[in-house]
Formats: sequence, C-alpha cells, structure tokens
Amino acid sequence: TQLLEQSPQFLSIQEGENLTVYCNSSSVFSSLQWYRQEPGEGPVLLVTVVTGGEVKKLKRLTFQFGDARKDSSLHITAAQPGDTGLYLCAGSRGGSEKLVFGKGTKLTVNP
Amino acid sequence: DTAVSQTPKYLVTQMGNDKSIKCEQNLGHDTMYWYKQDSKKFLKIMFSYNNKELIINETVPNRFSPKSPDKAHLNLHINSLELGDSAVYFCASRRTGANSGANVLTFGAGSRLTVL
Repeated sequence: TQLLEQSPQFLSIQEGENLTVYCNSSSVFSSLQWYRQEPGEGPVLLVTVVTGGEVKKLKRLTFQFGDARKDSSLHITAAQPGDTGLYLCAGSRGGSEKLVFGKGTKLTVNP
Repeated sequence: DTAVSQTPKYLVTQMGNDKSIKCEQNLGHDTMYWYKQDSKKFLKIMFSYNNKELIINETVPNRFSPKSPDKAHLNLHINSLELGDSAVYFCASRRTGANSGANVLTFGAGSRLTVL
C-alpha cells in the first residue's frame, strides 16, 4: 500500500506556464515535506509544512498543506527550464523516525 | 565541503559478489539512513541508525547489513548480490532532539549499483 500518492506522474510543459502537483493520502501526517531531485543527485529539501491549512511561498513556488493534514499541493507560477526535476513529497506520522516518500512527479519545462 | 558523502558513486559488479557502500556526514547529525531508489524513482527506506543504534529495519533481505562505527558514518554491506539489487542507494542524515523540528533529511548524491 502506497501511503502517499502523487499526481501527475509525468508533466511536460512550456516555459512560462503554471502547474500544480498533488500529494494525497488517506492518512494524517504530522508534517509533510517537498523535495526536488535532479539527475545524478540526491533529493534536496524545498519546504516543510506542519500546520493544517498552512501555505508557504518560495519565490514562484507555493506549497499548501491540507486542512486535515492528509494532502498537499505544490504550485509553480511561470515555470522555467531550471524548474525541471523530480518533485517528491514525503511525510512523517506522529513520533515516527520514518519519512515515507511518494513516487514523485517528473517535471520537464521546455524552453 | 560535502555534507553527506557517499562512495563509490558508481559500482558495477557481477551477481554473487559482495560489495560495500560507505557514507559519511559532517553535519553533526545523530541519525543516519539508507534509502533505495528503484528504476521508477521510488525512494524506499531501508535502515536508520541513531547514535550507532539500529532504530528502523524495514523488510530488507538479510544479505544487506548496515554498520555504523560512529554517528558520523553508516556503511552498507551487501552479500551475494542479485540482479534485483540494481538501484541507486542514498544515504541521508538528520538531527534529532527537542528542537530539531520535522524529519528534515540531508541526502548524499547517491551510489548507483549495477549488478550484471
């Protein structure tokens, strides 16, 4: 059973377009994180959200944690080729040491 | 300075061999992890050590044996390698404790293992 479902799995868009990536679960998470991974590298943390309904902005990226802390979204405005990468959501539950990952969304932004 | 460093970055070997991947972190973190990323990019946790003590051991074949000589190092030894072990293995670390915040991991660049 996959705890965190990400959609879409693949996304190819043109430079300047907007996009939203989703991370959904039937479980409640105490915190949820978004990472970006580029080819040949490890995932790098973008943001952590911990409060239901929380919205965080990182330049053109907007992250939202669902009110019930079961889902999250990542919205990118005016995407650029440098945004290309694999976007992974990851969550931890209660006091668990374990961080579980979604299967990722592979984003390609074409110039 | 690389925060979490893994060696080797690439490893090609024959089925049945034994191999090791090493990981070191210079962040002063006390918890380290091994994750496996398959060809579909799914990252799955394998092991976690806190101050040299095993705290997470997922359903991993016992051919995989982690070893933590100190809290800055977590090595992964794999016996009798199989084709299905081909993957990218990521080491990660984090600080734990009262003010450490959420489970934020710092990852190494990965070690790509190919078993022929």
